[in-house]
Amino acid sequence: EVQLVESGGGLVKPGGSLRLSCAASGFTFSTYSMNWVRQAPGKGLEWVSSISSSSTYIYYADSVKGRFTISRDNAKNSLYLQMNSLRAEDTAVYYCARLSVTTSHDAFDIWGQGTMVTVSS
Amino acid sequence: DIQMTQSPSSLSASVGDRVTITCRASQSISSYLNWYQQKPGKAPKLLIYAASSLQSGVPSRFSGSGSGTDFTLTISSLQPEDFTTYYCQQSYSTPRTFGQGTKLEIK
Repeated sequence: EVQLVESGGGLVKPGGSLRLSCAASGFTFSTYSMNWVRQAPGKGLEWVSSISSSSTYIYYADSVKGRFTISRDNAKNSLYLQMNSLRAEDTAVYYCARLSVTTSHDAFDIWGQGTMVTVSS
Repeated sequence: DIQMTQSPSSLSASVGDRVTITCRASQSISSYLNWYQQKPGKAPKLLIYAASSLQSGVPSRFSGSGSGTDFTLTISSLQPEDFTTYYCQQSYSTPRTFGQGTKLEIK
């Protein structure tokens, strides 16, 4: 079964750090670009960051640039998001999502169940 | 950044109805448009990619159309499990951006 499982969420104080992980199974992880997408409570979806299959291309939303770092370990079939200098507005469910590419079009075709990050004093 | 605007934000309908949700991009995105369904407390699920291609396993009552700046998601005959929230998303450029969502409610 194709699956993504996030972990590492929790309660952290403003200015603190947290590292999220996403374990992939059921597909050849090393051939897919991967992404983090977040959703604040009661709000819509916001793309956060993406990383290409071999980590060559990395992109961030302006809202997290300079504070978050995406990485992956293809030997461990794992995706990571290091989050530093956390703010209250980073409070959200964080999803990892696989990027599927079909004839030059791409879409987030597989999603994890999400992990909740709460930034509060 | 490309802004995606969905309308309406909420919609009331009945089982068996045909409904259409609209998504408008702030600039032309050709057919680089995807639709997702999200149920409460669950991750989004891909329904339509490349504006009109049905994702594997998605019921044929869902269809998408459009190109350029204007797109639609149509559900031909609403089923009870379809009453939830839908999002469009552009895949034309980075940052990938989503519409604000359309909540489909039972009338």
